Amino acid sequence: GENVEQHPSTLSVQEGDSAVIKCTYSDSASNYFPWYKQELGKRPQLIIDIRSNVGEKKDQRIAVTLNKTAKHFSLHITETQPEDSAVYFCAATLGGNNRLAFGKGNQVVVIP
Amino acid sequence: EAGVVQSPRYKIIEKKQPVAFWCNPISGHNTLYWYRQNLGQGPELLIRYENEEAVDDSQLPKDRFSAERLKGVDSTLKIQPAELGDSAVYLCASSLEDEQFFGPGTRLTVL
Repeated sequence: GENVEQHPSTLSVQEGDSAVIKCTYSDSASNYFPWYKQELGKRPQLIIDIRSNVGEKKDQRIAVTLNKTAKHFSLHITETQPEDSAVYFCAATLGGNNRLAFGKGNQVVVIP
Repeated sequence: EAGVVQSPRYKIIEKKQPVAFWCNPISGHNTLYWYRQNLGQGPELLIRYENEEAVDDSQLPKDRFSAERLKGVDSTLKIQPAELGDSAVYLCASSLEDEQFFGPGTRLTVL
């Protein structure tokens, strides 16, 4: 199967509500988990990352939680705003050589 | 501080023609990556350099793709000959530690 899977593929939320995107990975040796935001026609930009020795990390309206036992991590966006509309990619290092494997992305649409 | 620079931004070629992409990483970043991003997909690693050494090129289709980073700074990725399926955005990224910084990409269209 895929090294990294994201669910759901598309998420629509009302402005002000929260959005949660879940990512699962297969390599138990993965130790670094970034989330990238990519607006249409733009480059991916890191918004938050977490390492395997931490369970949760927060930066203003964005948080990431990691469950190593279940091998999944989630991105939480609170008080969503229209400018949060974008494609969000999760990634995980593949243990052997620290190669980043990306998921296929989640399209988040914030409805004003 | 300047980010990762790539050129050209767009390239349209006919199949079987050669094409080259150039990348200048963030100053001081020893690690450089080339990714391919197909429409609706996440970036897929083609090759990773540590200074001038290619340390991970297992996903580079070596029959038609080549890359170099001769002085351990800027890098060139070449496709020869290009095929229709090579149409994609080619992203370059660089890093000092774990965080990877992406360039704007080169959008390649093969006709």
